Amino acid sequence: DTAVSQTPKYLVTQMGNDKSIKCEQNLGHDTMYWYKQDSKKFLKIMFSYNNKELIINETVPNRFSPKSPDKAHLNLHINSLELGDSAVYFCASSHQGGDRGYTFGSGTRLTVV
Amino acid sequence: DQQVKQNSPSLSVQEGRISILNCDYTNSMFDYFLWYKKYPAEGPTFLISISSIKDKNEDGRFTVFLNKSAKHLSLHIVPSQPGDSAVYFCAASDSGYALNFGKGTSLLVTP
Repeated sequence: DTAVSQTPKYLVTQMGNDKSIKCEQNLGHDTMYWYKQDSKKFLKIMFSYNNKELIINETVPNRFSPKSPDKAHLNLHINSLELGDSAVYFCASSHQGGDRGYTFGSGTRLTVV
Repeated sequence: DQQVKQNSPSLSVQEGRISILNCDYTNSMFDYFLWYKKYPAEGPTFLISISSIKDKNEDGRFTVFLNKSAKHLSLHIVPSQPGDSAVYFCAASDSGYALNFGKGTSLLVTP
C-alpha cells in the first residue's frame, strides 16, 4: 500500500517516441506535482494540480502534457521524446498549500536513446 | 536562477560525531523551509521543517537552525549514524504550492 506510486520505474525509449508515466496517491491529498531531476541532480517543479485543476505550469516544452483524471491521479505524457528529456521524474502529493511538505513517489528513470 | 543553494556537494563524518549540512537562499519571500532525505532509487522523504517565525526546530537527533538575516539554514544531526548516509535536500517555499530545492549534499557516515 504505497502512498505515492509511479509506473514504470524505468523507461528506455527511442527519440521521437511518445510515452506516458502514471502516478497515483492514496493519501487523500488534493494537490499533486511532477518534478524533474536532471543530470545535475537539480529537482525542479514542472506541474502542479490541485483538485484536478492545473495551478503551476513552469517553463516546460509543450511536448509535456499532464493529465489529472481525478485528484488521486496525475499522469505525464511526453510527445516526440528528445535526448535531453532523459532524467528522473518524481511525482509527489500534498495537502493544499504544499509548502508544508510533500510525499514523493520513488521516481521514474527515463532514458532516451 | 537557483534560489536555494547547497554549496557542499558531499560531506563525510565519523559515526557518533555531528553532521552539519548547510543551505543558503536568495528569495526573502521564502517563509517555510524543509529538509528532505533521499536514498538511491527512492523518492525524497520529508525529514524536518521550520517556519520563518522560528530560529530552531528539533526532532530527535535532527535540529534545523534558521538565520533569516543571513538567509542561511543548517541541519545538524547528532549523533550521526551510518544509516544517515544519504543525499539531503534543502527546500524552501513562499507559501505557494511549489518547493524550491537545492542540489543536495551527499552525506557519508563512516563507522
